Amino acid sequence: QKEVEQNSGPLSVPEGAIASLNCTYSDRGSQSFFWYRQYSGKSPELIMSIYSNGDKEDGRFTAQLNKASQYVSLLIRDSQPSDSATYLCAAEGNSGYALNFGKGTSLLVTP
Amino acid sequence: GAGVSQSPRYKVAKRGQDVALRCDPISGHVSLFWYQQALGQGPEFLTYFQNEAQLDKSGLPSDRFFAERPEGSVSTLKIQRTQQEDSAVYLCASSFRTGGEKLFFGSGTQLSVL
Repeated sequence: QKEVEQNSGPLSVPEGAIASLNCTYSDRGSQSFFWYRQYSGKSPELIMSIYSNGDKEDGRFTAQLNKASQYVSLLIRDSQPSDSATYLCAAEGNSGYALNFGKGTSLLVTP
Repeated sequence: GAGVSQSPRYKVAKRGQDVALRCDPISGHVSLFWYQQALGQGPEFLTYFQNEAQLDKSGLPSDRFFAERPEGSVSTLKIQRTQQEDSAVYLCASSFRTGGEKLFFGSGTQLSVL
């Protein structure tokens, strides 16, 4: 059973719009959550981390965590074509170091 | 180096052949991970090193997979008697912390087993 679930998409949004990416996780013991961006054929790149309930903002990115609902989201404001990529949600498992990744959501920002 | 370096970038192997994949982490990084990423999937954890100690190898798919980091820097992932199901991208990641925070990934080795 996959521990981190994401809609694979593709999610298509027009340039300048807000992109909303969602993720659920099954391990209630997970404490740390991450969003990675992966361009086609490239390696994952960490863009956001979040550890406590609520919102965390960094530039155009906002991560949201709701531990009661076991839900993590990523909002991208003023989406740009260069944001087109696969976004991977990851939760730190009960090992305290291994990350459980979702399959990723493909985002396409159209000019 | 400036980032995590992996070699080779691409590897084609005949079924049954042994392969060795190299990872050169960022200098001074304590933690080193290997992940396997199949096409269209997220990375799957294989193994974790803290310095030269392999603390977790629970994700290695079979005893054909072996990883080492003898001096606490460069790591090698070896796959013996490769099978078609081993075809994937093998990602190495390192972190200056213990644990899985702030991972820096290498470009990966794309392994194709024919």
